[in-house]
Amino acid sequence: EAGVAQSPRYKIIEKRQSVAFWCNPISGHATLYWYQQILGQGPKLLIQFQNNGVVDDSQLPKDRFSAERLKGVDSTLKIQPAKLEDSAVYLCASSLDPGKFGYTFGSGTRLTVV
Amino acid sequence: GESVGLHLPTLSVQEGDNSIINCAYSNSASDYFIWYKQESGKGPQFIIDIRSNMDKRQGQRVTVLLNKTVKHLSLQIAATQPGDSAVYFCAEGSGNTPLVFGKGTRLSVIA
Repeated sequence: EAGVAQSPRYKIIEKRQSVAFWCNPISGHATLYWYQQILGQGPKLLIQFQNNGVVDDSQLPKDRFSAERLKGVDSTLKIQPAKLEDSAVYLCASSLDPGKFGYTFGSGTRLTVV
Repeated sequence: GESVGLHLPTLSVQEGDNSIINCAYSNSASDYFIWYKQESGKGPQFIIDIRSNMDKRQGQRVTVLLNKTVKHLSLQIAATQPGDSAVYFCAEGSGNTPLVFGKGTRLSVIA
């Protein structure tokens, strides 16, 4: 089966600009996650979707971050305006069922804010 | 040996030796634990999982041990190979809640 697809692979923007990341999960996976991974740290959850509904966005900085999964398949994560501390790898993962473990991660988008 | 740096702890091992990577988890109510391997430029890759009602699980060249008394998890890699060089993360989860990842350990294999 195809893996989790993410684009772009790399993005460099200036602070206060906006940026969007795209994720296409594994076909049939109802649950989709966005994680932020700062260099030298473990991934930290930003948001969890179940189909097109938000399950957990408690750690999403909602003043600047937004995410959607309109048709329950692809998802986009947006940052507006970006800050220097947003420099990180943004990982998308999907799973067949929230109760099942073993998410499949994409390769991530590396964001550098200058 | 193992050292703690400013960022990731690093474990250096000779090729062919066994590696032991340790992890302390925080939530005593976690149902399951997973070890992930992350190579440079890639997303985390599932290695092995263990349920909270188990204390040991073996896979191909890997063994995970769980000590719930002290909330400690370890990953043992037998006959470590250069391809095992990566950052290893433990993650804990329960029910439908998202996985919570630890800080990671960098494994360097010396040929």
